Amino acid sequence: DAGVIQSPRHEVTEMGQEVTLRCKPISGHNSLFWYRQTMMRGLELLIYFNNNVPIDDSGMPEDRFSAKMPNASFSTLKIQPSEPRDSAVYFCASSPRAGRYGYTFGSGTRLTVV
Amino acid sequence: QKEVEQNSGPLSVPEGAIASLNCTYSDRGSQSFFWYRQYSGKSPELIMSIYSNGDKEDGRFTAQLNKASQYVSLLIRDSQPSDSATYLCAVNLAKVTGGGNKLTFGTGTQLKVEL
Repeated sequence: DAGVIQSPRHEVTEMGQEVTLRCKPISGHNSLFWYRQTMMRGLELLIYFNNNVPIDDSGMPEDRFSAKMPNASFSTLKIQPSEPRDSAVYFCASSPRAGRYGYTFGSGTRLTVV
Repeated sequence: QKEVEQNSGPLSVPEGAIASLNCTYSDRGSQSFFWYRQYSGKSPELIMSIYSNGDKEDGRFTAQLNKASQYVSLLIRDSQPSDSATYLCAVNLAKVTGGGNKLTFGTGTQLKVEL
């Protein structure tokens, strides 16, 4: 299995631009999670899906952030408009059933907003 | 009080020694506990899981859980320089919505194994 695949690996964009991060979970995993990691705040859960349905988006910082999971093999996290304070590493993770099995993380997308 | 708390370190141990990493959590009803290792610039990697009180051993790693004290630890025996990383504790807190799939992570403890 190729693991959780994220793209792009690095993204540098100007303030105000739209940014779209992509994730392909491990086949057969029915839970998908988007996390953001910074030095100051550590790993923060933004949103998670079970069977393609958003379950908890309480971690989404504000309306500028949105996430979709149109099918079991693809999810996007969009930031529009982006701001410098959005600069962080964004991780996608998947799990067959996280409460029991833990997550497998993707390699992450390092986002820099200038 | 943070929901999952770890000492940020750095924790420095000499090569060959035992490294002891600790984690406390706030929710007494929590059932599942995990340790992740994260090398600098890399993603977190699951190394241990534990669900019952007591010890669980896997190679040089031992996870210890004490639900009464709301405490989980990770011991690394015969520490190697390659063990130098940040270790994240994650807990499936009982007071979650949506079926309990959500893990809450501590901020991690940086471990340095010195030659």
